[in-house]
Amino acid sequence: EVQLVQSGAEVKKPGESLRISCKGSGYSFTSYWISWVRQMPGKGLEWMGRIDPSDSYTNYSPSFQGHVTISADKSISTAYLQWSSLKASDTAMYYCARHGGYCSSTSCYAYDYWGQGTLVTVSS
Amino acid sequence: DIQMTQSPSSLSASVGDRVTITCRASQSISSYLNWYQQKPGKAPKLLIYAASSLQSGVPSRFSGSGSGTDFTLTISSLQPEDFATYYCQQSYSTSWAFGQGTKVEIK
Repeated sequence: EVQLVQSGAEVKKPGESLRISCKGSGYSFTSYWISWVRQMPGKGLEWMGRIDPSDSYTNYSPSFQGHVTISADKSISTAYLQWSSLKASDTAMYYCARHGGYCSSTSCYAYDYWGQGTLVTVSS
Repeated sequence: DIQMTQSPSSLSASVGDRVTITCRASQSISSYLNWYQQKPGKAPKLLIYAASSLQSGVPSRFSGSGSGTDFTLTISSLQPEDFATYYCQQSYSTSWAFGQGTKVEIK
């Protein structure tokens, strides 16, 4: 069974750093890209960026470039989303999602499995 | 960047109703359009991919159509478990944008 299991909820202060995780199981972790998606309280879904776990190639939404870092450790089938200096506006639910659904020889074009979400609260 | 616009933002409907949600892309995205359902406190769930293909396990009352810039999600007979928020998403360009969502509420 394919699963993406995310780390637990976090409460942080502005300016602190944070790394949250997403562990894949039940499939070949290096064969499918992982994206991170933000959902602010009461709002819609925003794509933040993606990573190819096979070589850690990343690309980011312009809205998030420079503010977060996406990485992966293929030896433990885990992707990460990291902040070096949190802001109150980073308070949100964060989801990881696997690229699947329908695929060409090089890419897949939907999110077929999602993590359960990690709630990040940033407050002084 | 490609912008995705859904309409309506919300709707009220009764069990058994036929419901249609539309999604418009700011430029042609061929058939690189997906639909997701999200219930409160839960992760989104893939319903339709490639504009019209039903994801495995999704009831056949859900269907999708369209290509280019205009797309539609239809629920043929609304069931109690279908009350949720629905999002379209394009996967044509590098930045995979979502629509703003359509909340389907009980009438």
